[in-house]
Amino acid sequence: EVQLVESGGGLVQPGGSLRLSCAASGFTFSNYDMFWVRQGPGKGLEWVSTIGTSGSTFYPDTVKGRFTIARENAKSSLSLQMNSLTAGDTAVYYCARKLLRRGWYLDLWGRGTLVTVSS
Amino acid sequence: QSALTQPPSVSGSPGQSVTISCTGSSNDIGSYNYVCWYQQYPGKVPKLMIYDVTQRPSGVPDRFSGSKSGVTASLTISGLQAEDEADYYCCAHSNDYSLMFGGGTKLTV
Repeated sequence: EVQLVESGGGLVQPGGSLRLSCAASGFTFSNYDMFWVRQGPGKGLEWVSTIGTSGSTFYPDTVKGRFTIARENAKSSLSLQMNSLTAGDTAVYYCARKLLRRGWYLDLWGRGTLVTVSS
Repeated sequence: QSALTQPPSVSGSPGQSVTISCTGSSNDIGSYNYVCWYQQYPGKVPKLMIYDVTQRPSGVPDRFSGSKSGVTASLTISGLQAEDEADYYCCAHSNDYSLMFGGGTKLTV
């Protein structure tokens, strides 16, 4: 079955760190650009990071310098290291796969993992 | 505040058509055809409904159509059905490697 499964979410104090993981299966992981997208409680979607097949990484200013995306093709695994967390980072974090064509379109999403930043 | 502006809510009756707008700028929607739409039911993951402004992925009903004029993209749903009641998000990106989403529109049927 083609799927993405996130893990690693939980409760963390402000200023703390957390590492999310995403296990891919059912497709050739190394062929795809991968994304993290988050959704705050009752809020909309927000792009968090992108990693290309070559390992190039991209971030919005809101997380640049605090979050690091990485991939391990041999294990079909994606990760997101999150440091200096604030309450604003509280959200469900989705791992997503980019469609195999030009354009940043996400055709496969995991079910998400909840990150709560609170004291 | 989202870089792409959508109305918070729209509504329509079964069988009618509704259009959801998504306003960007000359730096994104106005200059590139990298526009998409996602459908999301409460508690569920987003589903890609439209990409490249007008293209539908396999399996998406042709009741869903996309268009663009200037800096505004639109999603039109014709022949509304109860199952279309969901949140809809537009997306866009340019060549500066940043992805933007609209704030989302809640469709009530």
